[in-house]
Amino acid sequence: AQSVAQPEDQVNVAEGNPLTVKCTYSVSGNPYLFWYVQYPNRGLQFLLKYITGDNLVKGSYGFEAEFNKSQTSFHLKKPSALVSDSALYFCAVRDQITGGGNKLTFGTGTQLKVEL
Amino acid sequence: DAMVIQNPRYQVTQFGKPVTLSCSQTLNHNVMYWYQQKSSQAPKLLFHYYDKDFNNEADTPDNFQSRRPNTSFCFLDIRSPGLGDAAMYLCATSRDQGRTYEQYFGPGTRLTVT
Repeated sequence: AQSVAQPEDQVNVAEGNPLTVKCTYSVSGNPYLFWYVQYPNRGLQFLLKYITGDNLVKGSYGFEAEFNKSQTSFHLKKPSALVSDSALYFCAVRDQITGGGNKLTFGTGTQLKVEL
Repeated sequence: DAMVIQNPRYQVTQFGKPVTLSCSQTLNHNVMYWYQQKSSQAPKLLFHYYDKDFNNEADTPDNFQSRRPNTSFCFLDIRSPGLGDAAMYLCATSRDQGRTYEQYFGPGTRLTVT
């Protein structure tokens, strides 16, 4: 089965500083990777995905992610953090599923806290 | 705007009393999913519908059932809720076409069991 790992439970960063939220993956075959963000008591919002192509993927709200095959990583980045970016971030990988569709297997999540 | 809608947003039920959560979508996606998420943990897939075909995850308890009467609507039925079923329940959709693998989530229903 495919899996992703998020090694940090929490990341703290000052507003205006760059942020990185880490994710590593373990897959057989080509990885299909995703980042989602979740605000308190809300559903998950899709930020970006890597399917194929350029290793640097740009997504919503100024976020981007760098796919690194040799390090099996897919870290989420933003050049300048905002207080409003404070939320729970999930990395996910497309997993095999019976019956069609796309099962997402999520990491354990990283709480991002951006402070003034 | 096209979206995934879940009702109610908050649901309180009694131990053992059946409860139904609903999900509707205006995205016209052919796949619908139900996830369970406990206290800031990763969402866990319970089951999904691919068109009309129901697919259960192997470790989903029999207490959880689902119905999809048409493309737009999907229901999650918990036949006899236990205290351990208190969680956020998330509905998601996707379109099985090309490489559009991302799923779109509703806001969730937070279930409390008393």
